[in-house]
Amino acid sequence: KAGVTQTPRYLIKTRGQQVTLSCSPISGHRSVSWYQQTPGQGLQFLFEYFSETQRNKGNFPGRFSGRQFSNSRSEMNVSTLELGDSALYLCASSLGVAGLYEQYFGPGTRLTVT
Amino acid sequence: GIQVEQSPPDLILQEGANSTLRCNFSDSVNNLQWFHQNPWGQLINLFYIPSGTKQNGRLSATTVATERYSLLYISSSQTTDSGVYFCAAYGSGSARQLTFGSGTQLTVLP
Repeated sequence: KAGVTQTPRYLIKTRGQQVTLSCSPISGHRSVSWYQQTPGQGLQFLFEYFSETQRNKGNFPGRFSGRQFSNSRSEMNVSTLELGDSALYLCASSLGVAGLYEQYFGPGTRLTVT
Repeated sequence: GIQVEQSPPDLILQEGANSTLRCNFSDSVNNLQWFHQNPWGQLINLFYIPSGTKQNGRLSATTVATERYSLLYISSSQTTDSGVYFCAAYGSGSARQLTFGSGTQLTVLP
């Protein structure tokens, strides 16, 4: 069974631009969660989607948003990019809601904002 | 929300040595996982262990939920075990998110 896939793997953007990252979960998984990893803040939860509904959102500004499609694929969007948004963005999928099932992570998208 | 603390932050071992990594969490948990992050950033699942003991080859893990800690044991370390090990917990309270510890950086020397 194929694992979680994320596209693109690497991205360079300029301050003020916006970016969209994509995540395809493991087949049959209905929950997708997003995390940001930076050297200073570590791994931080962004949001979780289950059956196209956002279940929970972490402590990030409104510039960070996401959505989930009927096939469970998910996208996250960051608008008006700031230098501090440079990070590794990781997506994880699970069979059901994240608290009750094991989460599996994709390889990540490394975003650099210049 | 739940707090997750890992120790030690750094660990340097000779190949063949054994090690124990610890994860303390501040509240009861529905989900506890251990991961190994490879040099390219991917988180590799090691254990899903909200309670009890599991073993997988040279690695084993124990979670004592009532005392709010989990341990990851690595026996006969190999250089390929090097990397960062993360513990992550999903609290049973109102904060519905997987919270990560700050990790243990393991270096295994040949």
